[in-house]
Amino acid sequence: KQEVTQIPAALSVPEGENLVLNCSFTDSAIYNLQWFRQDPGKGLTSLLLIQSSQREQTSGRLNASLDKSSGRSTLYIAASQPGDSATYLCAVRAGSYQLTFGKGTKLSVIP
Amino acid sequence: DVKVTQSSRYLVKRTGEKVFLECVQDMDHENMFWYRQDPGLGLRLIYFSYDVKMKEKGDIPEGYSVSREKKERFSLILESASTNQTSMYLCASDSGTEAFFGQGTRLTVV
Repeated sequence: KQEVTQIPAALSVPEGENLVLNCSFTDSAIYNLQWFRQDPGKGLTSLLLIQSSQREQTSGRLNASLDKSSGRSTLYIAASQPGDSATYLCAVRAGSYQLTFGKGTKLSVIP
Repeated sequence: DVKVTQSSRYLVKRTGEKVFLECVQDMDHENMFWYRQDPGLGLRLIYFSYDVKMKEKGDIPEGYSVSREKKERFSLILESASTNQTSMYLCASDSGTEAFFGQGTRLTVV
């Protein structure tokens, strides 16, 4: 059974820092990996989708990498801002219906 | 812009009530999902549907049922609400490649 782990569970950084969030998964037979952002009391917003054949995807200040063989993905956030404060979740897809989520990393960016 | 709409942001219901949570998507997706999210437990899959009138149990279906009469609408039903069903409920519409979520429904059962 696929397991997805996100460490640390919480992270606090000063504004302007570059940071990396980690996601690891136990079964490398994945179709793709999706990073989400969740603000308190709200739903999940899709940030980046990275296919199993890709090494990375970029959107603005965000860059996601994928190393399928080692079962790892990272989300890099450049020049962090207080508005980046949220919980970030990764989810791996093994098929059309099988999406497995990590429990998330709660990010606080301190002004 | 893709859209998944859940009928309520907040709901307060009494123990024993029958509760309906509605979810509508405008992306013509075949697949729709219902999750609940609790602190420390993450997202847990309740039910999913891969076609109209088709449904499959997820990891925690007990106490819930679903209805999918039309492709765009997927409803979660709490047959007799209990306090342990107080939670955040999230609906997702899925292309088979990418998932899109609604804004969530915070349900409190008193």
